[in-house]
Parts: sequence; structure tokens; C-alpha cells
Amino acid sequence: QSALTQPPSASGSPGQSVTISCTGTSSDVGGYDFVSWYQQHPGKAPKLMIYEVNKRPSGVPDRFSGSKSGNTASLTVSGLQAEDEADYYCSSYAGSNNLVFGGGTKLTVL
Amino acid sequence: QLQLQESGPGLVKPSETLSLTCTVSGGSISSSTYFWGWIRQPPGKGLEWIGSIYFSGTSYYNPSLKSRVGTSVDTSKNQFSLKLSSVTAADTAVYYCAPLIRVSKYFHQWGQGTLVTVSS
Repeated sequence: QSALTQPPSASGSPGQSVTISCTGTSSDVGGYDFVSWYQQHPGKAPKLMIYEVNKRPSGVPDRFSGSKSGNTASLTVSGLQAEDEADYYCSSYAGSNNLVFGGGTKLTVL
Repeated sequence: QLQLQESGPGLVKPSETLSLTCTVSGGSISSSTYFWGWIRQPPGKGLEWIGSIYFSGTSYYNPSLKSRVGTSVDTSKNQFSLKLSSVTAADTAVYYCAPLIRVSKYFHQWGQGTLVTVSS
């Protein structure tokens, strides 16, 4: 199984919206609604932000939203804030109890 | 609220076996809700799923690591463990343990991670 494809970097100014894509195949992203997104600040463990494509765990601001179309999932951060600056990773179920992560996207708040 | 803590040697020699344990608190490792997962992150790089184990001992591994990986569960200690054999410098990484929600396939909490360096 190959890693999911994410852009290495993304950026936006405070208050703006930014969308990060996560492209896989019909064997992972496109085949299941089990896409999750994780936020990771430097030196910290990842934190779950979105699960099952578009569901937010309690405590995650509603500025974070997820979607999927075909083999590509997306994470949108609206109303960017300084604390949103972090690395973001997508993950997808890939069948047969296998999981695959994306390469990660570094989000910079300008 | 589950809490997980990784433990094990921080330095392993090339060709030897890396061994880590994850201790679970705040819940039972025998819960049917979870698989128990291992994920690693080489310095400056992305996340890689290593494998997941159910409390029954049923395991699933990343195909790229399958030949070198083993996992086990000790329900009496509420722990699960990882073994990675024949390590090289490429296995140097922060290793995380995390509970995987079995039906929805996501890691809802993560341990703090432990850095394992492969070096002679």
C-alpha cells in the first residue's frame, strides 16, 4: 500500500480559510468512509481532528471540517488562527484491517 | 479517559530487535471497542502505521514491515507490546501507541511517544 498524497505545505492569513487535500485510490480513500485527520504541533503527539470523513470529536472547534469526493479527502480550516499552525496528516482505512497515512502537510499561518 | 505510555530502550544496535511496551490506564485493554495500534515517525518525516492488535491476540501489520514485526497483549498487566527485528538506521523514529476505534478506524488518543535510535 502506498502513502496517501498530501501537499507538503499550505498557508493562509489569520481569518482566512485553507483546504488541505489527501489523495488516495479506490482501495483506500475512495473505497471507505473511514478517513481521519490529525494535527501535530512540533514535539507533540498527533491529535485527532476529524474522523469518518467529516465528524469532529468533542472539543475540536467547528472551524475544522472534512469532506470527500471520489479518491480525495479534504480538511478545511476556516477562520485561521495562529494556533492552527501545525502539521496535518490524513489517514484512511485500506481494507483487510490495514491503515495508511498521508505524507503530511505543514500549515503556516502568515 | 484512556492514557497510554510507551516504554522501552531508547537505543538499539543495528541487526538487533527493538522491543517496546505500551501500558494502558483508564480503561481495559480487553475492551471490544479498540484495536491497539503502533505508529512511528522518523525524525522530520511523516507517520507510518506499523500494526494493530486486538485483545484476543489477532494482529494486523503494515505489509512493508510484516516480515519483521510482532505484537502481543498481556491482559493481566493491561499492556501490549511491539517487537521489530533486524533493525537498521531507517527504523530510528518516535514510536507511538494508540487505541484504534475498531469500527471507525481512527486513533482517538495517542501516547506521548518514545524515541528509539538505532545505532552502534
